[in-house]
This record gives sequence, C-alpha cells and structure tokens, in this order.
Amino acid sequence: QSALTQPRSVSGSPGQSVTISCTGTSSDVGGYNYVSWYQQHPGKAPKLMIYDVSKRPSGVPDRFSGSKSGNTASLTISGLQAEDEADYYCCSYAGSYTFWVFGGGTKLTVL
Amino acid sequence: QVTLRESGPALVKPTQTLTLTCTFSGFSLSTSGMCVSWIRQPPGKALEWLALIDWDDDKYYSTSLKTRLTISKDTSKNQVVLTMTNMDPVDTATYYCARTRISSYFDYWGQGTLVTVSS
Repeated sequence: QSALTQPRSVSGSPGQSVTISCTGTSSDVGGYNYVSWYQQHPGKAPKLMIYDVSKRPSGVPDRFSGSKSGNTASLTISGLQAEDEADYYCCSYAGSYTFWVFGGGTKLTVL
Repeated sequence: QVTLRESGPALVKPTQTLTLTCTFSGFSLSTSGMCVSWIRQPPGKALEWLALIDWDDDKYYSTSLKTRLTISKDTSKNQVVLTMTNMDPVDTATYYCARTRISSYFDYWGQGTLVTVSS
C-alpha cells in the first residue's frame, strides 16, 4: 500500500481537462511544498512534469499544472491530447526520517 | 545534457547480494546541491524510493530497507553504486537511478534495469 493515495484511473476526451488527486498527511504533502508529479509511458522511465507543487520544468507544456490544498495535491491536465495517455505518479518529501513517498499511480486514458 | 544509465545483473538468486551501478554525465556529484537516488518499481506496481547520496557524501536510506542497502559514489568515474543484500523474489523490479535535487524532486532518470530474483 502506497503512502500517498491516488485514484487508480481517470479518463477524458481530447480537449477536455482532467484532475488527478494525491492525498497524504501533514507529515508529507501537507507539511512541505515539495510535491512532484511524474508521467510514465509503458516501458519507459518516469518523466518529471511538476515540481515544488506547481512549477513546470523547461519543456513541459503549460497544459500541465499543479496545486495543493492541505494534505491533498492535484495535477490538472487541460486540453487533453492522445500523447497524455500514461501513468502519473505523485511524490512528496516526507522529512529527514522517511524522505520521499510516492503515490500508487493513476492511469490516464484519453478516450 | 544530463544522462544516467543503470547497469547490473538481470538475474540474481535468492539470498544473493545485488550490485547496481549508475553511470552519469552532464553534471558533477561534487557540486553543491547535487544528489543521486535509487528508486525501484516492481512489475505493474508503484515507485519506491530506496536511497540517496549527496554531494557531501551523506547517505540516506529507506527506513524499511536500510539494513540491506548501501550506497556509495566514485566522483572521478561519475558513478553511484547501490548494493542490496539478501535478495528475495519480492525484490524483483526495475531499478532506476535519478538525479535528485535535495528534499525536492527527481529531475533526470535512467532508463532502468530489470532485476529478477529467482532460483
């Protein structure tokens, strides 16, 4: 069982928006502004999409955005495209004892 | 550009020790703020952070696996090595190394190496 809770799957049609939630505790998501999101296509390595809750690395489309409220972080993908279909994992720093915890992953299907 | 590549055995027997090497380029592990982590992913399952080594040679381990893990670095060779003792079939996974920004995120990943534990 993963430390952070994500929905197993979400879906949307091209052009629509979807939001993936990531729920933790005050010891991880709620306690630090160090939430990151990773996209993973089948058979590929994860790719950083969002870091420090809402920052986008260079090269990541601005259709991807992140936010946090309390112990829950969210990844929103607007203007869905076929290539967005992938697994998405959230991750949070959890202090100098546990360090990092991941979510169980969410499979995004573009209908 | 930043690249990382994992290498090691594809198959190990139960109770054996696994040694994985991460060879990287495009950054120096002697630069303040730079770190390398190991992260694994069992087939069809979620990611799990294992260990980190930083520019100052400080080492941090997953609480649940710390008795089995050792991470080290060779700055001159741009390599980070992870050893995991007493391997078990549940340790079957793809093992990734990733450049890590301390306390924050994993910005570059290797392609991963699948390790199967079986007799």
